[in-house]
Amino acid sequence: GQNIDQPTEMTATEGAIVQINCTYQTSGFNGLFWYQQHAGEAPTFLSYNVLDGLEEKGRFSSFLSRSKGYSYLLLKELQMKDSASYLCAVRSFSGGYNKLIFGAGTRLAVHP
Amino acid sequence: DAGITQSPRYKITETGRQVTLMCHQTWSHSYMFWYRQDLGHGLRLIYYSAAADITDKGEVPDGYVVSRSKTENFPLTLESATRSQTSVYFCASSEPRGRQGLTYEQYFGPGTRLTVT
Repeated sequence: GQNIDQPTEMTATEGAIVQINCTYQTSGFNGLFWYQQHAGEAPTFLSYNVLDGLEEKGRFSSFLSRSKGYSYLLLKELQMKDSASYLCAVRSFSGGYNKLIFGAGTRLAVHP
Repeated sequence: DAGITQSPRYKITETGRQVTLMCHQTWSHSYMFWYRQDLGHGLRLIYYSAAADITDKGEVPDGYVVSRSKTENFPLTLESATRSQTSVYFCASSEPRGRQGLTYEQYFGPGTRLTVT
């Protein structure tokens, strides 16, 4: 079957670094996405990995290891506005099309 | 640049009624999607469309109907609403680009919060 696991909640301090992990089991792996979703709002795209390694984009970085079925999102210099849910999503080619399978999300609370 | 919009933003309806949620995008993206988001389940795909007049089922299509006569619109209809369809519904669109045409992040609308009583 297809399964994505990520922690339900995390807390961190303003200015610190936090790592949100995501493990997945899926067939037809075709890329991994991270989305940010503030409460009551739509998800917005953060990063995309299809090859192993680290992708850096400003304060946010995302890492992928396909052999381990593992990814993480690294947030540096945390700001209060980073308090949000972070969704890990795996793109899987199955049933004739590419579909995104979302994890339940990790709710991050940043404290002063 | 309006992007992707959904209407209504909030809807309360009764069990058994038919409800249509509207989605409109101004980017001419070929792909459009409908998801529902429930606590503890993440986003689950209901239906998707690869182009006008091409639609297909996702993970949880039962009780829903879609159509796509124009590229920019992708309405979702609940034929006979049930309490289990109380959820937040997100429409999304995307267009393949980037390395080998594989990168295609999805752009989400603001969502419709539907309550079925």
